Amino acid sequence: DTEVTQTPKHLVMGMTNKKSLKCEQHMGHRAMYWYKQKAKKPPELMFVYSYEKLSINESVPSRFSPECPNSSLLNLHLHALQPEDSALYLCASSQVGTSLGEQFFGPGTRLTVL
Amino acid sequence: AQKITQTQPGMFVQEKEAVTLDCTYDTSDPSYGLFWYKQPSSGEMIFLIYQGSYDQQNATEGRYSLNFQKARKSANLVISASQLGDSAMYFCAMRDAYTIYNQGGKLIFGQGTELSVKP
Repeated sequence: DTEVTQTPKHLVMGMTNKKSLKCEQHMGHRAMYWYKQKAKKPPELMFVYSYEKLSINESVPSRFSPECPNSSLLNLHLHALQPEDSALYLCASSQVGTSLGEQFFGPGTRLTVL
Repeated sequence: AQKITQTQPGMFVQEKEAVTLDCTYDTSDPSYGLFWYKQPSSGEMIFLIYQGSYDQQNATEGRYSLNFQKARKSANLVISASQLGDSAMYFCAMRDAYTIYNQGGKLIFGQGTELSVKP
């Protein structure tokens, strides 16, 4: 099973809402990632979790709050977002500590902030 | 600093013909991995092919092959016998020992090439 799943597929929220994005993988990967992607641009890294601990935060605003409750699950909690946060949010996973092997991506969540 | 350069923002190819998407990279690390991903309009980032810096042979996966020229620091993707379903954005990406041990293993992406296959 080389699948990363993400829910929901689409999300529309107001600036005062609180919502969460969910990501799940069952490949035994111990590194999980959140990327943000604008149209026709490459993905930009937001967070990295390694062995369920936050290892990288790329200076992401605090209105984005990641959580890794176990080795298979990764959440991204959203609160008080801005319209410019509208984007495709991609989750990915990979093995830890090796340049070999792929980084598998989920299908993404298209977020629209009104 | 690590960098990936894709110089073709958009390309057209006739169905059933082969096409080469260019990618050059820059790293001072001898150990690195190069990746190609396909992203259709649906948004999913689909892994296509991987090449390790110590691999002696060019990687191939079905209709995809990677033309790896280490001295030139290039890793071009060749798609043979293009199909309409190949129309998508294609990203070249890299990670090396530095990004693995200091940046959580993040991928360094190029700007992408938008490929359109004509019937």
